[in-house]
Formats: sequence, structure tokens, C-alpha cells
Amino acid sequence: EAQVTQNPRYLITVTGKKLTVTCSQNMNHEYMSWYRQDPGLGLRQIYYSMNVEVTDKGDVPEGYKVSRKEKRNFPLILESPSPNQTSLYFCASSSRGLVGYNEQFFGPGTRLTVL
Amino acid sequence: DAKTTQPNSMESNEEEPVHLPCNHSTISGTDYIHWYRQLPSQGPEYVIHGLTSNVNNRMASLAIAEDRKSSTLILHRATLRDAAVYYCILTRRRETSGSRLTFGEGTQLTVNP
Repeated sequence: EAQVTQNPRYLITVTGKKLTVTCSQNMNHEYMSWYRQDPGLGLRQIYYSMNVEVTDKGDVPEGYKVSRKEKRNFPLILESPSPNQTSLYFCASSSRGLVGYNEQFFGPGTRLTVL
Repeated sequence: DAKTTQPNSMESNEEEPVHLPCNHSTISGTDYIHWYRQLPSQGPEYVIHGLTSNVNNRMASLAIAEDRKSSTLILHRATLRDAAVYYCILTRRRETSGSRLTFGEGTQLTVNP
């Protein structure tokens, strides 16, 4: 089954304790990205990657890192989490297909709480 | 990026058609209109997209105004499972796909049994 998986689905942590949220897709997609969703602010893009070893900042990259060493994986790293990073996080992927066709496949989400 | 305007919420009855409007008066000629929806406790999912002509797929239909300043997502027979937040999103034509999706607040659709 074609899918995007994220782990963990739920995480409660404390300020400053480094954490990684993993994202994996099995559709051989070139493009992957991370979003965060907050009430009243909608979904905002954090980082994206157009292919292996190619990453770039989205709208809200501060406090996050990413890496793309393999095509299928795109982990999100919080080196020193803070309470304002408490949010619902989604990973998404898509292929570099038809012009104008932007079907992105989203993972199930990771609910992160930073105390 | 051009902005979209949607009603905050709409209600429908099960098995009736639903018309979800979206205004995008500043749309440019190279903008595509995409619709996504987000079911409770899930990630967003693609519904449909179009450029100028009306489009149909197994999930919905997309009616685009002749001047492209508005569009309507049509669910022909709403089911309880269609209760979700529906997002109308404009995406800029690019040489390759895969780009940022700028989500607004969307329309919360409630479907009554």
C-alpha cells in the first residue's frame, strides 16, 4: 500500500531534549516536506526537499533541522525543543510529475508536546 | 501567492449535494486550483485540481468560473465520511510539480444524518 509513515505518532518531551521525528514514503517520490499545524494558523511548511541531499527552508524553519540521505526518508530534528514547538506535525511527499499537478500525500501526523 | 477566501463552515444533509465555494479574485493565469480535505485526526488528502475547465473525478467535481476568480467543489451525494475541513489552494505552475501548499483555514463541512 502506498503510504507515508511517521514515528512516533505521539510524543511528550521536555525543553532542550533533542528529538527526531522520522518520515518514510514507499512511493519513490522525489519531493518531501514537513508541515506543522496550529489552531488559527493552519498548516505551515517547515522544510522541504526536492531530492536526495537537496533541502531548503519553508515558511517556519527556525528551531528545526532536516536531512535527506535516502530518497525514502526525511527525518525532522529538533535539536533543542521549546514549548512553542508544541504542535501537530505532518510529513508529505509527491512525485515530480505533470506540470501544475500537485498531489501531495500526507502522513498520519505526529502530535508533539514540549513541556 | 494569490489568496483564497472560503466560508468558515457549512452544513449539509446526508445523500444531498454539497457546493463548497472558494473565491480567488487575484488568481494569475498560471495558478492551478487544488482542493484538499482533512478528515478528523488525519493528514490532508488530495481531492481534485483544475486550471480552466471543469473537472470530475471519483471523489468530486470542480466547477471553475469563466473568469477564474472563483470555483466550487461539488460533492454529489454527501456521506457522513465527507465531514472534514476542505481547503481551496492555489499553486503556481512550475516546470516540475512538488511545491509548497499554502493552506488557509478552510471550510468545516458538517454532514447531518
